[in-house]
Amino acid sequence: GQNIDQPTEMTATEGAIVQINCTYQTSGFNGLFWYQQHAGEAPTFLSYNVLDGLEEKGRFSSFLSRSKGYSYLLLKELQMKDSASYLCAVCIGNYQLIWGAGTKLIIKP
Amino acid sequence: GAVVSQHPSRVICKSGTSVKIECRSLDFQATTMFWYRQFPKQSLMLMATSNEGSKATYEQGVEKDKFLINHASLTLSTLTVTSAHPEDSSFYICSARGPTSDYEQYFGPGTRLTVT
Repeated sequence: GQNIDQPTEMTATEGAIVQINCTYQTSGFNGLFWYQQHAGEAPTFLSYNVLDGLEEKGRFSSFLSRSKGYSYLLLKELQMKDSASYLCAVCIGNYQLIWGAGTKLIIKP
Repeated sequence: GAVVSQHPSRVICKSGTSVKIECRSLDFQATTMFWYRQFPKQSLMLMATSNEGSKATYEQGVEKDKFLINHASLTLSTLTVTSAHPEDSSFYICSARGPTSDYEQYFGPGTRLTVT
């Protein structure tokens, strides 16, 4: 079967750094996505990793290890607006995305 | 670029009625669109994959006669919830494969359906 695990909730302080982990076991792999979703809104794209290593994009970075079935999203210089759910999703065959349950990130001043 | 719209954003309907939700790709052609449902504090659940000009592919457990999908053009897919019940109340989100990336999906803003 398909399984994606990520923590349910995390809390961090404004200005700090937080790492959100995602582990996966899927029947196929065509890349891993991270999306941000604010309450009541649709997800917005953050990153896509298909090769091992770190992809940096501004305050956000995403890492992938295919051999370990592991990814993380790193958020630096946290801002209050970063309070949201962060969804890990793996693309398997036929462009289908398998979604994790999401990690709710709470930023405190 | 790669903007996806949904209409309506919110809808309240009575039990037993039908509701149609539209998903449009505004500045690109989308041969494939996806329909998701999301219950509160839960992840997105793929309901069906909609391909232009052909029948939709439904995920296991999703009733195709209840959730009618029509992808009649390269920019429009519709989801009709027939004979809606309160348990169909949910956040429905569509997405489309982007014009340049095979795997990235662009999401519409979602439709909040409440069935009373």
